[in-house]
This record gives sequence, structure tokens and C-alpha cells, in this order.
Amino acid sequence: QVQLVQSGAEVKKPGASVKVSCKTSGYIFSKYYIHWVRQAPGQGLEWMGVINPDGAGTTYSQMFKGRVTMTRDTSTSTFYMELRSLKSDDVGTYYCARAARDSAGYDPDLAYWGQGTLVTVSS
Amino acid sequence: QSVLTQPPSASGTPGQTVTISCSGSTSNVGSKYVYWYQHLPGRAPQLLIYNNNQRPSGVPDRFSGAKSGTSASLAISGLRAEDEADYYCAARDDILSGSVFGGGTKLTVL
Repeated sequence: QVQLVQSGAEVKKPGASVKVSCKTSGYIFSKYYIHWVRQAPGQGLEWMGVINPDGAGTTYSQMFKGRVTMTRDTSTSTFYMELRSLKSDDVGTYYCARAARDSAGYDPDLAYWGQGTLVTVSS
Repeated sequence: QSVLTQPPSASGTPGQTVTISCSGSTSNVGSKYVYWYQHLPGRAPQLLIYNNNQRPSGVPDRFSGAKSGTSASLAISGLRAEDEADYYCAARDDILSGSVFGGGTKLTVL
């Protein structure tokens, strides 16, 4: 079965970086795009970006452009999202999510989700 | 402030039909597929509707999606207490060159 397992909670200081991992299994790694979505406390879902596992092309939200990098490791079927220059506003739960269909492309058609990774930013 | 506008709250009584709107523009809803998600506290979001009006397997037919012009809607019929959750629309946006979620609607079952 399709599984997305994310790394554990992180506590970072302002200005630091965080790198969240998303290990996938149960499907052909190269066929489905992976998106990253954030939810700040008490706020709505926020789309951060998407990575194409076949070639690693990425598209980032303008809200995060310049601070975020999404990568993948084909040898371990793992995706990574690194967010730099952390601010207090970056506190929240970060999700990776897999496209539902291999035809979805960059669409936010997300059927499978990781369990979420809580990132806390505090001095 | 999202480019996809949803009412912040909606409510209904058990058995009723509730409709949640998602208003966008020609660069998103008007020209792209719309997706709907249910999000319960402490859980990952669940895809309810894809490609404007298609239900993934396992999603009850009480949930239905529609789109007209630059607006989309999610209807929930036969409302149940377990439907109390946050609901989000999402779509790609040509101007933003990415995807976007609506601000979310908190559904209360009275």
C-alpha cells in the first residue's frame, strides 16, 4: 500500500534551517509528483511547492521562493523539503502529499499524505 | 488572503444539505480543475473531489462537486455529525505559476 512517512518534530531557532524528509513506498517512485503543504496553528492549508520525481523539476510558491528547496533521493525513495532563514511565522505542521494519479502533473490532486511534521521556531 | 475565496464558516443540522462555495478567477477556477479536501483536527487532509466533480473511491456519494465559470462548490447532503471539519478548495493558478488552497470553511453540524 502507498505510504508516506515523514521525519519527526523539529525545534529550531530563528534564522536556522529545517529539512523535513518524506519516505515513500508502495508505488513506482518516479511516476507521481510530490507536493508540500503547510498548516500554521489556527490557519488554513498553504501550498508550498511540488517536485517531479522524474528529473527533479520543481515549482515553488512565491511565498517561499528563495527560502525553500525540494529534492529527492531516488536510491531511498525519499523526498526532502528544506526551509531556510526560519521565522516565527514558519511554525506549523508540514505535510508531504502524493498526487492521486500519474496524469495529475502539477495539479493539487493529492490522495496520499504523510502524517505531518511539526516544526517549532523558538529562540 | 487566498486568491480562492471561501466563506469562513458554514453550518447545518443532521440530514440537511450544506453547500460551500469557492470563488476564484479565470487564472484558476475558471480554467483549471478544482479539488476539495476535508481536514479533521490532528489528521492529514483527505481528498473528497477531484477534477471538479469526481469522487475518489471510498468517498460517500453524499459529497458532490460542481463548477460554473470562476466559481466552484462542494455540496454535502444528508449531513452527519462526523462531517464537522474544515473544508478546502484548491486549484492551479496560471498567474501564481503554482497551486493554491482556499482559505478554508469550518463546517459545524448543529
